[in-house]
Amino acid sequence: QSALTQEASVSGTVGQKVTLSCTGNSNNIGSYAVGWYQQISHGAPKTVMFGNSLPSGIPDRFSGSKSGTTASLTISGLQPEDEADYYCSTWDYSLSAVVFGGGTKLTVL
Amino acid sequence: EVQLVESGGGLVQPGGSLRLSCAASGFTVSSNYMSWVRQAPGKGLEWVSVIYSGGSTYYADSVKGRFTISRHNSKNTLYLQMNSLRAEDTAVYYCARGAGIAGAFDIWGQGTMVTVSS
Repeated sequence: QSALTQEASVSGTVGQKVTLSCTGNSNNIGSYAVGWYQQISHGAPKTVMFGNSLPSGIPDRFSGSKSGTTASLTISGLQPEDEADYYCSTWDYSLSAVVFGGGTKLTVL
Repeated sequence: EVQLVESGGGLVQPGGSLRLSCAASGFTVSSNYMSWVRQAPGKGLEWVSVIYSGGSTYYADSVKGRFTISRHNSKNTLYLQMNSLRAEDTAVYYCARGAGIAGAFDIWGQGTMVTVSS
């Protein structure tokens, strides 16, 4: 059971806007910013967002937001190469640990 | 170029030990917080340990007392000493650089596979 809750699967068509969510509590997402990672075919994770920052080389169709204890990753203008597993993480001060979500499998139809 | 390269994985028997290394280039390990994250076959990402620039360390409950994170400043390398290994420690182990915000990472290595089996 992951400390952060993500949808198991999300799907969308090319060009569509999709939003992935990551829900925690006041000890983690409610207190800290969130990182988002893309993993294609179980290769090495790649960071697509941390806090409100877009890493160099990541297209600006990726954006992040947070409201209360839920963080969201939005992909505007979905592309076939966006099909991947997406994970979120943050710090949990009550656990003194980094916590991850269970991951969302994004399918591009 | 900012890069992390892990090494040291392999096949080890239950109860055995292994030391993983993560060589960094393009930045200074000791100036960042660094973590190890693992992924068991077919599973999601699981955080293992973190070392902060000041030297503080934290561990997941599943590895506490068995794993030790450390760094060698002059070699600009991060380590994970793994003792009393169990079958459930079988995973790809990634090192990752902290993104400057707690609990998030911006650079990842390519991973090294650890298999614990008799």
